[in-house]
Amino acid sequence: KAGVTQTPRYLIKTRGQQVTLSCSPISGHRSVSWYQQTPGQGLQFLFEYFSETQRNKGNFPGRFSGRQFSNSRSEMNVSTLELGDSALYLCASRDGDIQYFGAGTRLSVL
Amino acid sequence: QKEVEQDPGPLSVPEGAIVSLNCTYSNSAFQYFMWYRQYSRKGPELLMYTYSSGNKEDGRFTAQVDKSSKYISLFIRDSQPSDSATYLCAMRGQGAQKLVFGQGTRLTINP
Repeated sequence: KAGVTQTPRYLIKTRGQQVTLSCSPISGHRSVSWYQQTPGQGLQFLFEYFSETQRNKGNFPGRFSGRQFSNSRSEMNVSTLELGDSALYLCASRDGDIQYFGAGTRLSVL
Repeated sequence: QKEVEQDPGPLSVPEGAIVSLNCTYSNSAFQYFMWYRQYSRKGPELLMYTYSSGNKEDGRFTAQVDKSSKYISLFIRDSQPSDSATYLCAMRGQGAQKLVFGQGTRLTINP
């Protein structure tokens, strides 16, 4: 089986822009979670989607949003980008208790 | 204070040494404990998964959970240069899928 695929791998944006990141989970996995990884804060949970419904949300501002499609693919959107949004954004798909991570999208905000 | 504390290192040891990595946590509701390994420019890869207290061994890796002390450990025996990576502890409560991670420990194994 193919692993979790995240696109694009790298992004450069400027402050105030918005960005959409994409995640394709492992085939058959219906749960997708998003995490933000920064050197200062480490890995922090953003939200989880299951069967197109958001089930959990982390402590991030409303500028961070997501959605999941009927084929379980998920997108994450960040509006009005700030310098502090520069991070590695990781997507994980879940099979039972185990979460499998993609390689991430590295977002740089200038 | 963070829910999960992990010494970020860096930790540098010679090849063949036994490595001990640790995390402490404050939330007594955590019941599932994981160790992930993350190579540079890669996503985290699950190494070990443990439910509740006890030990689990897989090859050169041993995970220990002591819920009474809120302390988990990962031991790596006969360490190899290919073990050089950042090691992240993660945990969650019953019924919750949100993982809470430690800061990660950067480990280097010197040939």
